[in-house]
Amino acid sequence: QKEVEQDPGPLSVPEGAIVSLNCTYSNSAFQYFMWYRQYSRKGPELLMYTYSSGNKEDGRFTAQVDKSSKYISLFIRDSQPSDSATYLCAMNDKAAGNKLTFGGGTRVLVKP
Amino acid sequence: GAVVSQHPSRVICKSGTSVKIECRSLDFQATTMFWYRQFPKQSLMLMATSNEGSKATYEQGVEKDKFLINHASLTLSTLTVTSAHPEDSSFYICSAKPGGVKLFFGSGTQLSVL
Repeated sequence: QKEVEQDPGPLSVPEGAIVSLNCTYSNSAFQYFMWYRQYSRKGPELLMYTYSSGNKEDGRFTAQVDKSSKYISLFIRDSQPSDSATYLCAMNDKAAGNKLTFGGGTRVLVKP
Repeated sequence: GAVVSQHPSRVICKSGTSVKIECRSLDFQATTMFWYRQFPKQSLMLMATSNEGSKATYEQGVEKDKFLINHASLTLSTLTVTSAHPEDSSFYICSAKPGGVKLFFGSGTQLSVL
């Protein structure tokens, strides 16, 4: 079993819909949670960063963390075709020397 | 966010040659940089941690002599793929942290070995 599980998709939604992404994890030592967006053949871009359980909002993006369930989510409101990309969740374990553990990524396609 | 520059973005080389990829932190100093490899439709695989002024730390299964890492300054790390072969063809990405846990990535290098 992988430490971080993420549905690979593809997840196809119509423009304007809410995109819902999630990751589950098994390591209770993970403390910091991040979401990255990666366009094809480009480096990942940091979208959201959260530490504690709860919600964090930034523009059209909302990140949720539920440490008790070991479950994190990313919501994208009013999705645009430009949101079409692969979204990677990542988690940090201080005990592991601050290395990030990545999910496999979910490919999202927003259709105009 | 912090800016990490990676060069070249694309390189094609003949089998047996060596290729150097540069990673620079443009607006911060990075004592540690990370090198990842990514195959099509797969996630990032950490290859090694580059430490300024000391030897890199390689992940299990990554050949040190094949993937040479040099971190000679606080803003520059290089990855050299030595005696490249077609199976080394991949997308290589570097990253760095200006502080804390947020990791910022370069734009990646697509290596194609003929």
